[in-house]
Amino acid sequence: DVKVTQSSRYLVKRTGEKVFLECVQDMDHENMFWYRQDPGLGLRLIYFSYDVKMKEKGDIPEGYSVSREKKERFSLILESASTNQTSMYLCASSFFSSEGPQHFGDGTRLSIL
Amino acid sequence: AQKITQTQPGMFVQEKEAVTLDCTYDTSDPSYGLFWYKQPSSGEMIFLIYQGSYDQQNATEGRYSLNFQKARKSANLVISASQLGDSAMYFCAMRTNDYKLSFGAGTTVTVRA
Repeated sequence: DVKVTQSSRYLVKRTGEKVFLECVQDMDHENMFWYRQDPGLGLRLIYFSYDVKMKEKGDIPEGYSVSREKKERFSLILESASTNQTSMYLCASSFFSSEGPQHFGDGTRLSIL
Repeated sequence: AQKITQTQPGMFVQEKEAVTLDCTYDTSDPSYGLFWYKQPSSGEMIFLIYQGSYDQQNATEGRYSLNFQKARKSANLVISASQLGDSAMYFCAMRTNDYKLSFGAGTTVTVRA
């Protein structure tokens, strides 16, 4: 089975802090994604990557950056956390081809105080 | 832009009965894929079923079936013989040629004993 592991289930940080969310997958997937989930809005794509050191903006990249130094790891960075970034963050991965589902991690519930 | 619409914020269903979750989509791409995911209260996103735009038959996976009506641009999920463990939020998603997923707002299903 595909395993996508997010480093924390729950995280509490303060406004202005630099926050790192880590995601690791074990299926040699080329594509990796970061979403945030808010009630009534579904999942919205923040950034995605289709190869090491490659990244592309999603629908809501403002206030975020990403890093992909190794194929299995995709990090989401909140440069200066703000209260409106309190949310559920989900990481996903998939093979490069357009067939097949994305596989998700368990999510990180991030609270910015 | 791709758009997924789920018009039912919440639904109640009696145990052992069937339930249909509505999903309509909008795209001008001739090739696309439609997905349904389940999210229990614990937060993980579980892939349920996939339908490709060129698939001639409706997809089925155990108690899940997808009622795909291409001309109407709808991809409704049918859960047969509901179980208490089916209580969760359900998301419809669409992928087009750029392998990103667009999600609907979700439908919360509550199964009553």
